[in-house]
Amino acid sequence: DTGVSQDPRHKITKRGQNVTFRCDPISEHNRLYWYRQTLGQGPEFLTYFQNEAQLEKSRLLSDRFSAERPKGSFSTLEIQRTEQGDSAMYLCASSPPLTTSGRAVTQYFGPGTRLTVL
Amino acid sequence: AQKITQTQPGMFVQEKEAVTLDCTYDTSDQSYGLFWYKQPSSGEMIFLIYQGSYDEQNATEGRYSLNFQKARKSANLVISASQLGDSAMYFCAMREASNTGGFKTIFGAGTRLFVKA
Repeated sequence: DTGVSQDPRHKITKRGQNVTFRCDPISEHNRLYWYRQTLGQGPEFLTYFQNEAQLEKSRLLSDRFSAERPKGSFSTLEIQRTEQGDSAMYLCASSPPLTTSGRAVTQYFGPGTRLTVL
Repeated sequence: AQKITQTQPGMFVQEKEAVTLDCTYDTSDQSYGLFWYKQPSSGEMIFLIYQGSYDEQNATEGRYSLNFQKARKSANLVISASQLGDSAMYFCAMREASNTGGFKTIFGAGTRLFVKA
């Protein structure tokens, strides 16, 4: 079990540039989540994928943010025209399929990508 | 709208003693899940314990137990026999299913726990 991996671990960019982050979930996990966490706060939900389908997206997410999971495996999160307020830790998490009873199981988090926008 | 409230920004506990971290939630759904995560200074999010809204018994995982009071909408985390390694940020979270077939998880602001030797 290699866990959830994220790349890069750190990204420094200038305001106005585009950035893309990658998340590789645990191999048998079909559900994937993206979160944003600023210093001293809890993670803020951004979006949810089940296989390749994006089933939930936060209304807080501006049009500058887009996420994909084209083959139902890895996912990418792109931020266009970055702003200083985008500086945060971006966390990815994955979880396995629901049990037959529909019982939710925990999410396994990656180490995160820390974005700094200058 | 769903909401998680953690009213204790910081807590101190003596090593080997028990500590309770408070969490209240607000939802109109009948089916939901409640989670606690630990985030050490290294930044990783570590799952601790889960409670389903239909679970009749309080969840326990080793030194962690969840005091679930559904009518009061509270899901407090109890850590028994605190250890120095328990010093970390603790987040309460709630997951609800959406009408799109997806899931959304909301986290509280967290409680920073300091364990004193």
